[in-house]
Amino acid sequence: DAGVIQSPRHEVTEMGQEVTLRCKPISGHNSLFWYRQTMMRGLELLIYFNNNVPIDDSGMPEDRFSAKMPNASFSTLKIQPSEPRDSAVYFCASSSNRQGGTEAFFGQGTRLTVV
Amino acid sequence: SQQGEEDPQALSIQEGENATMNCSYKTSINNLQWYRQNSGRGLVHLILIRSNEREKHSGRLRVTLDTSKKSSSLLITASRAADTASYFCATGDGTASKLTFGTGTRLQVTL
Repeated sequence: DAGVIQSPRHEVTEMGQEVTLRCKPISGHNSLFWYRQTMMRGLELLIYFNNNVPIDDSGMPEDRFSAKMPNASFSTLKIQPSEPRDSAVYFCASSSNRQGGTEAFFGQGTRLTVV
Repeated sequence: SQQGEEDPQALSIQEGENATMNCSYKTSINNLQWYRQNSGRGLVHLILIRSNEREKHSGRLRVTLDTSKKSSSLLITASRAADTASYFCATGDGTASKLTFGTGTRLQVTL
């Protein structure tokens, strides 16, 4: 398996533009997570899905952020409109959600810069 | 919000020495996990310990869990320069695999 695949790896955009980050989880995993990492705030859980259903989006900073998981093999995180303070590394992770917990597998991240 | 707080925030040791990192958390958990992150890369899972376990080993790693104190420690024995990275603890609530990460410890291992 190729692991969790995120695209793009780097994104530079102007303030006010729409940004879409993409994630392909590991086949067979039924939990998917979106995290944001910054120096100031560390690693923050934005939203997570179980079986394609959003379970907890309390970490989504504001209405400008939205996430979808239309099927088991694809998820998007959209920021519209983007702002400079959204600049961060965004990670997608997936796990198999067994009873007792399992490890999460992370993608390489998307480094977003909003200028 | 972050569940865990790692201590120390940064640790610098020489190759061959042992490195100990601590993690404290706030709410009840189902499991606790440790991850490693090399600069500019994604996180990599190291070890998982369940709430009914007290100690676990994996190679040069030893993890302890004290649920009464809501704390865990990660010990890396005989450290190597390649162990240089940030280390994070993450707590799982067990109900839906929600993982919440701590603030991380930056480990520097020098030759």
